Amino acid sequence: ELKVEQNPLFLSMQEGKNYTIYCNYSTTSDRLYWYRQDPGKSLESLFVLLSNGAVKQEGRLMASLDTKARLSTLHITAAVHDLSATYFCAVDPNNNNDMRFGAGTRLTVKP
Amino acid sequence: ETGVTQSPTHLIKTRGQQVTLRCSSQSGHNTVSWYQQALGQGPQFIFQYYREEENGRGNFPPRFSGLQFPNYSSELNVNALELDDSALYLCASSPRQGMGTDTQYFGPGTRLTVL
Repeated sequence: ELKVEQNPLFLSMQEGKNYTIYCNYSTTSDRLYWYRQDPGKSLESLFVLLSNGAVKQEGRLMASLDTKARLSTLHITAAVHDLSATYFCAVDPNNNNDMRFGAGTRLTVKP
Repeated sequence: ETGVTQSPTHLIKTRGQQVTLRCSSQSGHNTVSWYQQALGQGPQFIFQYYREEENGRGNFPPRFSGLQFPNYSSELNVNALELDDSALYLCASSPRQGMGTDTQYFGPGTRLTVL
């Protein structure tokens, strides 16, 4: 059974601090996605990682992918309150957009 | 805005009833996937339609069914509703099935409550 595990599931940070969210998955997948979800809202695409060693950055967020270790990380630099949301990683094991999501990391950034 | 719309926004049904949820994809997107997101959990893949045919299904019973139409709209039908069907239902469309760097664009979701 395919498993996508995120940790931590809950994260409370102070503004200005750095932290990393981890996403492990149990099957081969060439693609790894990161999404953000605000309370009561839909999913917003953050990153699409398509190959081993891929690294993408947008603002204070940076995502990386190690397909050999089946691990992706989402690094937060100098957190700000606006980053408070739930972050999901997802894999696409069949390369046809039937994605499998992790349980999500609920991030709260406190002043 | 992703260009993907869903209706209705909220819906309340009772156990045993049937429900139809609707999604309108972006023009040109011939692949649509449906997901169920229970409160506090990640989305779970229900099924996918590609060019009006079901093309992959997650671990959901047959009372979950769907349709896709030539005008880029689709439906999710759920029969014999159960309390555990209460969730946010998301549809997501993509331009081509599993091609290149295409990502999925999610709609705003329909919040279904089963009493």
